[in-house]
Amino acid sequence: QLQLQEPGPGLVKPSETLSLTCTVSGDSISSTRYYWGWIRQPPGKGLEWIGSIYNSGSTYYNPSLRSRVTISVDTSKNQFSLKLSSVTAADTAVYYCARHTPGGYYYYIDVWGKGTTVTVSS
Amino acid sequence: DIVVTQSPDSLAVSLGERATINCKTSQSVLYSSNNKNYLAWYQQKPGQAPKLLFYWASTRESGVPDRFSGSGSGTDFTLTISSLQAEDVAVYYCQQYYNTPPTFGGGTKVEIK
Repeated sequence: QLQLQEPGPGLVKPSETLSLTCTVSGDSISSTRYYWGWIRQPPGKGLEWIGSIYNSGSTYYNPSLRSRVTISVDTSKNQFSLKLSSVTAADTAVYYCARHTPGGYYYYIDVWGKGTTVTVSS
Repeated sequence: DIVVTQSPDSLAVSLGERATINCKTSQSVLYSSNNKNYLAWYQQKPGQAPKLLFYWASTRESGVPDRFSGSGSGTDFTLTISSLQAEDVAVYYCQQYYNTPPTFGGGTKVEIK
């Protein structure tokens, strides 16, 4: 059974870079047609797509975050990662890694990680 | 970006009664070449990640009880719970995947009256 796990740092200081890694178990990132993405949810608010990556390394970012986001993949470790630079309090959220169904990096999500809470505070 | 608007923000329904959630997109998400609506529904219980309920607006994900149904086309969509159960208390989100970036509605909180 496919599982996604995204343990996080918990606390990040303003202006620093938030780094998260999602470990995929139960399937191989490199052997599938899926796109792998990051979505976040600020406290008490709705969901925001951050960006997605394919096993080839092709990336797609939300234009609203593009200047600060980098998503990468390490197929040897079956992991993909998120880096968000110059964070502010507005980046405080639960961050989810997820799997998009085949068809497109912006397609619906059929598997979600449990999420990790990241708080931006000094 | 396609704006997705849900209504109501919250609703309280008695056990066994019907719950109806609406989702409206700022432009049509019906792709004419395949006649599919690029809209999904998710359920998020407190402290949990969202769970996929429907895709293509009305295709039920495996394991989703049949008291849940999805309908609509173009810009107007509905999620219906025909007979609310206690375990259905959650926030429900719709999402368009017609184009990028994928966008979500603001959510509808369903509670027991």
